[in-house]
Amino acid sequence: AQRVTQPEKLLSVFKGAPVELKCNYSYSGSPELFWYVQYSRQRLQLLLRHISRESIKGFTADLNKGETSFHLKKPFAQEEDSAMYYCALSGGKLIFGQGTELSVKP
Amino acid sequence: NAGVTQTPKFQVLKTGQSMTLQCAQDMNHEYMSWYRQDPGMGLRLIHYSVGAGITDQGEVPNGYNVSRSTTEDFPLRLLSAAPSQTSVYFCASSYALPGQGGKLFFGSGTQLSVL
Repeated sequence: AQRVTQPEKLLSVFKGAPVELKCNYSYSGSPELFWYVQYSRQRLQLLLRHISRESIKGFTADLNKGETSFHLKKPFAQEEDSAMYYCALSGGKLIFGQGTELSVKP
Repeated sequence: NAGVTQTPKFQVLKTGQSMTLQCAQDMNHEYMSWYRQDPGMGLRLIHYSVGAGITDQGEVPNGYNVSRSTTEDFPLRLLSAAPSQTSVYFCASSYALPGQGGKLFFGSGTQLSVL
């Protein structure tokens, strides 16, 4: 069965501090993982996916199959990063985690 | 290009009433899906479809029906609304299956309250 766990409901940091949003998954096959973001008053949108190995808006995420994790990181948080972040796992259908609200304070 | 369009944006129902949430996309996407968003629960998959005439259940399908008669439309039907179905509902579509690199495009959501 597919499962995605985001242990933190709320993460609050100050501007310029490093950020790490945790994501752990459970899946018996070869996983495909994503991070989606929902800014205030905007639609949910894709932030990044592990197969692309890209950095979007300064965020990166590395798939660690040994620890079954896909944590989202940014070295220096900005106020505009404040949003709800969802980790998602695909095994044919896309399953989301519970979400982490990131609040970046000035 | 409208993308994914959901109607209505807001709806209030009484327990036991039925209704249909509409979802349409103009991107010729094969994959479409419905999620509900609840505080502390994240997004949970209700039903999904990999093409016209093909639907399947997600994580929380009970109390909901779907059909996919065309590529463009994927309506979600509440058969007999219950207060537990109070939620924000999102429709999403993708040009490819999520497991094949598909990127989901989301609608703006429908906020449903069941009294």
